[in-house]
Amino acid sequence: QVQLQESGPGLVKPSQTLSLTCTVSGASITSGFYYWSWIRQPAGQGLEWIGRMYTDGTTTYNPSLRGRVTISVDTSKSQFSLNLRSVTAADTAVYFCARDIGASFPGSFGYWGQGTLITVSS
Amino acid sequence: SSELTQDPAVSVALGQTVRITCQGDSLRRYYASWYQQKPGQAPVLIIYGKNNRPSGFPDRFSGSSSGNTASLTITGAQAEDEADYYCNSRDSSGNLYVFGTGTKVTVL
Repeated sequence: QVQLQESGPGLVKPSQTLSLTCTVSGASITSGFYYWSWIRQPAGQGLEWIGRMYTDGTTTYNPSLRGRVTISVDTSKSQFSLNLRSVTAADTAVYFCARDIGASFPGSFGYWGQGTLITVSS
Repeated sequence: SSELTQDPAVSVALGQTVRITCQGDSLRRYYASWYQQKPGQAPVLIIYGKNNRPSGFPDRFSGSSSGNTASLTITGAQAEDEADYYCNSRDSSGNLYVFGTGTKVTVL
């Protein structure tokens, strides 16, 4: 069973970099032709797709984040990470990591972490 | 801004049928997926592809699509179906993912 678990600092100061990690169990990040994504949800609002990383390390990002985001992988730890630079209060949200339900259904997120709340505040 | 539009809220009587729609130009080319989200929980995928349900999910949920509109139908709504529902698909470029604005379903 594929399981994902986010971890992060909880609180980040404005203008700093938010760093989150998603630890994966039950699947390999570097095989299987899957996309691994980050998604966020401000309190009381809808879901926003942040970006994705393919099995081969190729990344695609939501242009609405204006080049502030980087997704990377640490295969030795079976983790992939999100870095979001120059954060503001508007980046306060619950952040989820997720994976496609199957290689034939990219963008259908069948596996999710439980989410981690990130607050941007001084 | 989202390229997929949903009605903000719908209500349904217990045991009745409700249809939730998702509109967007990209849906003419790509299927929508549907998610159920209850307060404080991560979204759960309930429909993907043409009309596929993950194993274990009740068959009262079904998906369909016509033109620029994807629909999620709950046939015989139960109290536990009260939740927020989101669609998602690709954007008009086909390279990015986008979520719908979400629909809050109330079961009366």
